[in-house]
Amino acid sequence: GIQVEQSPPDLILQEGANSTLRCNFSDSVNNLQWFHQNPWGQLINLFYIPSGTKQNGRLSATTVATERYSLLYISSSQTTDSGVYFCAVDRFTSGTYKYIFGTGTRLKVLA
Amino acid sequence: KAGVTQTPRYLIKTRGQQVTLSCSPISGHRSVSWYQQTPGQGLQFLFEYFSETQRNKGNFPGRFSGRQFSNSRSEMNVSTLELGDSALYLCASSGGSRNEKLFFGSGTQLSVL
Repeated sequence: GIQVEQSPPDLILQEGANSTLRCNFSDSVNNLQWFHQNPWGQLINLFYIPSGTKQNGRLSATTVATERYSLLYISSSQTTDSGVYFCAVDRFTSGTYKYIFGTGTRLKVLA
Repeated sequence: KAGVTQTPRYLIKTRGQQVTLSCSPISGHRSVSWYQQTPGQGLQFLFEYFSETQRNKGNFPGRFSGRQFSNSRSEMNVSTLELGDSALYLCASSGGSRNEKLFFGSGTQLSVL
């Protein structure tokens, strides 16, 4: 099956700093999404981005499908950005979802 | 538009019991997926339902089952609970076609004693 690796596993930032999170996957995929899990366990969808670049406020994401990686950029970080960031990939094989999640990057933003 | 609703939020059960968790998807969404999250194994796919049919299943024992109703609400059941079933169970809803976002509920935290 597809392997998904995320780096770094842990990240501590001072408020206002920028960061880049990486997601590598071992095979071609049709779907790729980034999620933020807050301290209460809620998974928030940040981006649906199987290829290309998207931006949403201070967050942006780029997926280079041919090289099998995706990057999530967080600029001017805030304490509310703390939590775990997951990427998830799927091949939509046989017309059904079966997302494979990475192990996540745990981010802590200090005030 | 209301989000994905999971009930209950917390559950405490003892070994050998069974449990049923509920998930109501976003209105209009026909696909519901279930995931188990544990500190050791991370987020793992359980199964996906679309229009009352199970379309895909992960690598979990037969004690884990689910169903979907005509209004797209879904339930998952775990029978003969084991200590290792303690986890956060998350459901996600989507329109069901290829290029769609997944939206997750807040999850059900199950503790097996």
